[in-house]
Amino acid sequence: QSVLTQPPSVSGAPGQRVTISCTGTSSNIGAGYEVHWYQQLPGTAPKLLLYENSNRPSGVPDRVSGSKSGTSAFLAITGLQAEDEADYYCQSYDRSLSGVVFGGGTKLTVL
Amino acid sequence: EVQLVESGGGVVQPGGSLRLSCAASGFTFSSYEMNWVRQAPGKGLEWVSYISARGTSIYYADSVKGRFTVSRDNAKNSLYLQMNSLRAEDTAVYYCASELPATDAYDIWGQGTMVTVSS
Repeated sequence: QSVLTQPPSVSGAPGQRVTISCTGTSSNIGAGYEVHWYQQLPGTAPKLLLYENSNRPSGVPDRVSGSKSGTSAFLAITGLQAEDEADYYCQSYDRSLSGVVFGGGTKLTVL
Repeated sequence: EVQLVESGGGVVQPGGSLRLSCAASGFTFSSYEMNWVRQAPGKGLEWVSYISARGTSIYYADSVKGRFTVSRDNAKNSLYLQMNSLRAEDTAVYYCASELPATDAYDIWGQGTMVTVSS
């Protein structure tokens, strides 16, 4: 059971928009800690997709965006492409656990 | 090229020990905070340990506290994870990852090294 809750799977057709949620508590996201997002392609290491809720590292396209509200954070991908098919993880800090926590991951399928 | 390369994984019996290494290149390793993150087969990511740039601050996940020890040698551009009293549930791919400055986001990851704890 992960501290941050993500839907196990989401899907969308090419060109569509999908959103992945990451729900925490008042000990992590709700306490104001930043949320980061990672993309993990099959058999590879995770790649930083968004940091501090909505900032894109160099090389990440602007069709990827993020937001945060209350105890939840959201990753949105517009103009879905086949190459977006991957697992996505959110990350934050939990003050009760005094450590970094991850969501359980969401598998994005491009139909 | 900015790179992290892990090594030292393998198969070990329950109760045994293993030392992982992470070699950094292409950036000023001594300026970066580092972490170990693991991923059990078919499962999600789990943070394991953090060490500050100079090694003065160290933190562990409760699941490994008292059994794992993180260290670094900035002169050798290397990060280490000494794992003792290994359990079956420690079986995972272990990644080293550096933090983006002024955040706790992990912007550089190694390719991972597999640790299997089995009799």
